[in-house]
Amino acid sequence: QSVLTQPPSASGTPGQRVTISCSGSSSNIGSNTVNWYQQLPGTAPKLLIYSNNQRPSGVPDRFSGSKSGTSASLAISGLQSEDEADYYCAAWDDSLNGDVVFGGGTKLTVL
Amino acid sequence: QVQLVQSGAEVKKPGASVKVSCKVSGYTLTELSMHWVRQAPGKGLEWMGGFDPEDGETIYAQKFQGRVTMTEDTSTDTAYMELSSLRSEDTAVYYCATGQRASMDVWGQGTTVTVSS
Repeated sequence: QSVLTQPPSASGTPGQRVTISCSGSSSNIGSNTVNWYQQLPGTAPKLLIYSNNQRPSGVPDRFSGSKSGTSASLAISGLQSEDEADYYCAAWDDSLNGDVVFGGGTKLTVL
Repeated sequence: QVQLVQSGAEVKKPGASVKVSCKVSGYTLTELSMHWVRQAPGKGLEWMGGFDPEDGETIYAQKFQGRVTMTEDTSTDTAYMELSSLRSEDTAVYYCATGQRASMDVWGQGTTVTVSS
């Protein structure tokens, strides 16, 4: 069971806007920034969003992130077939000696 | 730019240890904070530990404390992750990644570790 909670699946048609939620607690999302990763089948994860809403160089602006309280969201607009992948949220957790905690992942299907 | 190249696949018996390497190029290891993340077949990502520059020390996830050791050889810019007392549940792809805390922007290609009798 993951510390951060994500829906196991999401779907949309090309061109649509989809959102993926990530719920945590005061010790992780509530007090630290949220990051999002995209993992295409058979590949290593790729940092998609950092510090809640910042995109690394090369990430299209179709991807955006937001955070409110102990929850965060990833939004993908203008959905494309190549966006079909697993998406993970992650945050630092201040409990105990500190940990990086991940969500369980959301499999995005482009219909 | 930073590149991370990991060692090849390993097959181990239960109870054995495995040591995975991660060679850094483009930067020196001392300039980076290295983390290790694993992914069991069909499962999500799991952080095992990493260097926290705010504390200046390597932090291990509680689940792996006592069983994992992360080391660095700065003369060869290579990081290592050793996991002992292997069991079947440790079968996974192990990744090294650099970044600050939960923001890891460069990943290795992954090393498959299979634990089987």
